Amino acid sequence: DQQVKQNSPSLSVQEGRISILNCDYTNSMFDYFLWYKKYPAEGPTFLISISSIKDKNEDGRFTVFLNKSAKHLSLHIVPSQPGDSAVYFCAAFSTGGFKTIFGAGTRLFVKA
Amino acid sequence: EAGVAQSPRYKIIEKRQSVAFWCNPISGHATLYWYQQILGQGPKLLIQFQNNGVVDDSQLPKDRFSAERLKGVDSTLKIQPAKLEDSAVYLCASSLDLRGKETQYFGPGTRLLVL
Repeated sequence: DQQVKQNSPSLSVQEGRISILNCDYTNSMFDYFLWYKKYPAEGPTFLISISSIKDKNEDGRFTVFLNKSAKHLSLHIVPSQPGDSAVYFCAAFSTGGFKTIFGAGTRLFVKA
Repeated sequence: EAGVAQSPRYKIIEKRQSVAFWCNPISGHATLYWYQQILGQGPKLLIQFQNNGVVDDSQLPKDRFSAERLKGVDSTLKIQPAKLEDSAVYLCASSLDLRGKETQYFGPGTRLLVL
């Protein structure tokens, strides 16, 4: 039972353009969402998060949008840079459950 | 600030053998997590400690996997005996507490190959 789904295994974008990574979830109890970034041979690192009481959170080039009614969130990277090439994991957390559920990840390629 | 340390980085064993992984979390972090990441999938939580107590081990295959966190600091994860399907990256993470809104900091992982 995949509670957090990232349906696009990979995404290729030209440098300078916008990258949009999508994530869907099924459990309405999730109240906090995170994006992690992972380079090869390294562990995931935290990128940005959003609480369910918000619909947008911005940090520099990274913006996360949350649509609770659709149980959907997205990560926007503008402008995309070659150094952004990595695997991006969407994760969801329920305050009552104390467990973070990760999606399968989307591999982003940013072409110079 | 030193990050989460894990060892070994790589391990190759034959099925039915035993293996152990070690994790040293960030100093002061009360919560420690072990995840299994199979190729093409996201990290799956195996066990979560708060200090030296287990918070969640519902997805830990307890017939072959065991983990401990003595003194609430370092942790070891053991597989005995290993199966082919245990081939994965084992990630250790830590956070200040278990409320989840605290960022988890991951180690580099141990890549296990079971032949």
